[in-house]
This record gives sequence, structure tokens and C-alpha cells, in this order.
Amino acid sequence: QVQLVQSGAEVKKPGASVKVSCKASGYTFTNYVMSWVRQAPGQGLECMGWINIGNGYTKYSQRFQGRVTITWDTSASTAYMELSGLRSEDTALYYCAREVSFSELDHWGQGTLVTVSS
Amino acid sequence: QSVLTQPPSASGTPGQGVTISCSGSSSNIGSTYVYWYQQLPGTAPKLLFYRSNQRPSGVPDRFSGSKSGTSASLAISGLRSEDEADYYCAVWDDSLGGPVFGGGTKLTVL
Repeated sequence: QVQLVQSGAEVKKPGASVKVSCKASGYTFTNYVMSWVRQAPGQGLECMGWINIGNGYTKYSQRFQGRVTITWDTSASTAYMELSGLRSEDTALYYCAREVSFSELDHWGQGTLVTVSS
Repeated sequence: QSVLTQPPSASGTPGQGVTISCSGSSSNIGSTYVYWYQQLPGTAPKLLFYRSNQRPSGVPDRFSGSKSGTSASLAISGLRSEDEADYYCAVWDDSLGGPVFGGGTKLTVL
């Protein structure tokens, strides 16, 4: 069965960077897009960007442009999301999700809590 | 502030029906499919509907999705306590090049 397993919680200081991983199994990794969605405490869902694993094309939300980088490792069936210049407002749950087609996110990781605190 | 507007809350008693709306515009809902996600407390979101009214396997037929013009709706009949969750609508936004979500509706089963 399809599974997305994310790396564990992180605590970072303001200005630092964080890299979250998302290991996929149960399907052909290169056949899908992987999206990253974040959820601040008590808030809604926000797409940060996505990567077409098949061709490496990435698209970032303008809100995070310049601070977010999404990469992948086909041999490890793992996607990564790195966010730099962390500020307290970046404290949130970060999810990876497999995208079947536009906005159709059919499998989600369990989420990774990133806490930014001095 | 999202381009998709949802009521922040909705409620109903067990057995009742409830409808959650998602309002957009001709450039989003009016021109593409709508997706719905259910987020149970403390868990990751789960796809509830794709292509406006298609249920993934495992989603009970108590749930139904529809779209008309620039609005979409999620209807739940025969409410159960386990339906208590946050519900989000989403559409693809060409200008953003990615999905946008509504603000979410917290459903309380009284």
C-alpha cells in the first residue's frame, strides 16, 4: 500500500534552515508529483510547492519563493523540503502529499512539526 | 485570506444532515474541479472527493460532493460522531501554479 513516512520533529532557532524528508513506498516514485503543504497551529492548509519527480520540475508558491527548495532522491524514493531563514511564523506542521493530478492529493505523510524558537 | 470561502464552523446532531459550502469565482471553481479533504483531529488530511463529486474507495456514500457555477458543496447525511473534523475545499489555481485551499470548516457533531 502507498505510504509516505516523514522525518521527525525539529526545533530550530530563528534564521536557521530545516530539511524535512518524505520517504515513499508502495508505488513507482517517479510517476507522481510530490507536494508540500503546511499548517500553522490552529490554521488551515497552504501549499508551499511541488516537484514532478519524473522530470525534476519544481514550482514554488510565491509566498515561499527564495526560501524553499524541494529536491528528491530517486534511489531512496525520498523527497525533501528545505526551508531557510526560519522565523517564528514558520512554526507549523509540514506535510508531504502525493499528487495524482491538479489538487488531487491522494496520500499524505503523517506530518513533521517544525518549531522555531529562540 | 483564501480565494475560496468556507464558513468557519458547522454543526449538527447525530443522524442529521449538514452541508458545507465553498465559494469561489469564475477563475477557480467556475472553471475547474473541486476537491474536498477531511482532517480528523490530530491527523493528516484525507482526500474525501476528487473531480468535484467522485468519492475515493472507502469514503461512505453518506458523503456527497457537488459543484454549481462558482460554488461547491459537501453534504453529509446521517451524521456520526466520527464525522467531527475540519473540512477543506481545494482547487487548482493557474496563476499560482498549485492548489489553493479554502479556510476550512470545523464540523461539530453535537
